[in-house]
Amino acid sequence: EIVLTQSPGTLSLSPGERATLSCRASQSVSSSYLAWYQQKPGQAPRLLIYGASSRATGIPDRFSGSGSGTDFTLTISRLEPEDFAVYYCQQYGSSPLSFGGGTKVEIK
Amino acid sequence: QVQLVESGGGVVQPGRSLRLSCAASGFTFSSYGMHWVRQAPGKGLEWVAVIWYDGSNKYYADSVKGRFTISRDNSKNTLYLQMNSLRAEDTAVYYCARDLGAMVIFYAFDIWGQGTMVTVSS
Repeated sequence: EIVLTQSPGTLSLSPGERATLSCRASQSVSSSYLAWYQQKPGQAPRLLIYGASSRATGIPDRFSGSGSGTDFTLTISRLEPEDFAVYYCQQYGSSPLSFGGGTKVEIK
Repeated sequence: QVQLVESGGGVVQPGRSLRLSCAASGFTFSSYGMHWVRQAPGKGLEWVAVIWYDGSNKYYADSVKGRFTISRDNSKNTLYLQMNSLRAEDTAVYYCARDLGAMVIFYAFDIWGQGTMVTVSS
C-alpha cells in the first residue's frame, strides 16, 4: 500500500499569502494519479486537482498542482478567506487507493 | 444541478445492521462508477467500496469486506450500502461520491454528497 505523508500538518498564513502544501508518497504514484481535495468544517470534501495538475471544474486558477513520482505539491497563489480549510491528497494509481493525513491551512 | 443526497444514517447497536441510500440527480447515473467513503469523527478519509457503472464489479476495503454490500438501482438513480455486523469502529460520516470517469473507474471522486452520520454504540 502506498502511504501518503502530508506536510506541514498545519500551515498558519494570512489572506493574500502564498500556500505551499506537500504530499510525499512511499512509492512512485503511477501515471501521476494524484488528487487534491479541500474540506471545510461540516462539509464534504471538494475535488480541486486530479492527475497531479489538472484543475477540476469550477476551481479557481489560484489553485495549482505539480509534481510526479513521489513528490507532489498543491500551491494556492494568494489565499482568499474561503481557502482556509483542510486539504487532503489521494493517490489512485495503485490498489488500494490511499489518502494523506491532511494539512490544515489556518488564519494567522 | 449535479447532486448526491445520502440518507439512512443513525444510531445503531453493535452487531446490528443499517442500510444507507444515496439519491443522484443532474447527471446520467448509469454512466458512472460510484463509491462510499467514510470519515470517523476528527479523522481523515477512508475509502469503503466501489461499484461499477453497470453494477458488474464491486470492491471493498479490507476493513468492511464480508460485512458491507454496495449495490445500485440505475432505474431509480440510487446507490446503496448495506452494513451488517456493525462495530464501534464503523462510526463515521458516510459519503457517497461519483467516480471521476464516465464508463471507466479512476478511484478518484469529483462529486460528493453531504454525508450521513452513522454511530455504532450500545
